Parts: sequence; C-alpha cells; structure tokens
Amino acid sequence: EAGVAQSPRYKIIEKRQSVAFWCNPISGHATLYWYQQILGQGPKLLIQFQNNGVVDDSQLPKDRFSAERLKGVDSTLKIQPAKLEDSAVYLCASSLTGTQYFGPGTRLTVL
Amino acid sequence: SQKIEQNSEALNIQEGKTATLTCNYTNYSPAYLQWYRQDPGRGPVFLLLIRENEKEKRKERLKVTFDTTLKQSLFHITASQPADSATYLCALDRGGGADGLTFGKGTHLIIQP
Repeated sequence: EAGVAQSPRYKIIEKRQSVAFWCNPISGHATLYWYQQILGQGPKLLIQFQNNGVVDDSQLPKDRFSAERLKGVDSTLKIQPAKLEDSAVYLCASSLTGTQYFGPGTRLTVL
Repeated sequence: SQKIEQNSEALNIQEGKTATLTCNYTNYSPAYLQWYRQDPGRGPVFLLLIRENEKEKRKERLKVTFDTTLKQSLFHITASQPADSATYLCALDRGGGADGLTFGKGTHLIIQP
C-alpha cells in the first residue's frame, strides 16, 4: 500500500513570496490533516478535512494560509505572503479509522 | 488550552536496559493518548494508542501506561536497541468530535551500544 505522498520535499523562498504544497493521501482515507512542525517542536495541527469539508481550522492563520481538498482526495496548502516564522516542515497525514499516517513532509525555508 | 510536557532533553540509555519516557498534560481530559516515533527527515510513525478507560497497553517490546488521575502517560521500551534511537512524541486528541492531535515537543532517545 502506497503511503502519503507530498511534494515538493524542499522549498526555499524569499519573505513575502507565495508557496504551495501538495498532498496525496492513502487511497480511501477520508480524513486529511496538515500539520506545521517548527524545528525542535512537535507537529501543530493547521487544518483537518473530512472528505472535502473542513472539520477543524481553528489554528490556521487564515490571513495568510489557505487549504483546499477538491474532490475529497488530494489537498493543497498555500501560504501568501510568507513570513520568516513560517520556516518549518509541513506534514500531511491521512486516516481511515483514527490512526494517522504521515507523509515525509515539505521543508520550507523563508529567507 | 491543552498543554503537554515531555522531557525534551536527550535521554541516554544503555543497550539492553529499559527506556522510560514521560508525558504529562494539563487543562484537559483526553479520550485517548497516542505515541509516535519520528526519525530525522521523516514524518511521525504511529506506535500505540491508549484510551482513557485503559490502564496499560503492550505491543512487542513497547508498553504504555495511562494515569488519568495524575494526568500522565509513561512509555517503556524494554530490551532497548540502538535502532530504537529516535524522537518519541506524545499526542492527545483535540476533542470536540474532531480527531486532530495536539503533540508534545518530543523526547530524543539515544540507545548507546
């Protein structure tokens, strides 16, 4: 069974630029999560989707971050404009029955 | 809001000994608690889930305990091996019907041969 796929694996941008990350969850998993992991910290939930509906986005900085999950499968997370403090690893996870399966993450560096 | 504390300093254990990691939480009564392993450059990998009505859970060399009175979980690795070296994350459900997780900072475990 293929795992959660994410791309790109690495991204370097200047502050105030925009960036987008893509996630393809495990086939059949209805729930998809985006987490932000700053160096030395645990992952922080940004948004949770159930199929293509948002379940929890209470910790998503909505003035600059947006996410969508069209057709209830793939998802994209966008940051516009990026700030220095957005430098982190962005992890995507999916689940079917509660156990979350994480992708390898996208490491974002904002200069 | 939920607060989770793990000893984020490195924990050095000699090979063959039992490693014990601690997770304390406040301001919340979780329905369940999970432990994950994370290696450098990789996403977390699920290890064990323990529910509020369970005292102990085992899986091979792993054991998790859950004390809802003390608001504490202990994670044990018996007969530890150098391959067990990694960061171990404790996570609680966020409640309210959504099952996104709140993670601790993690404990970096080093098993020395």
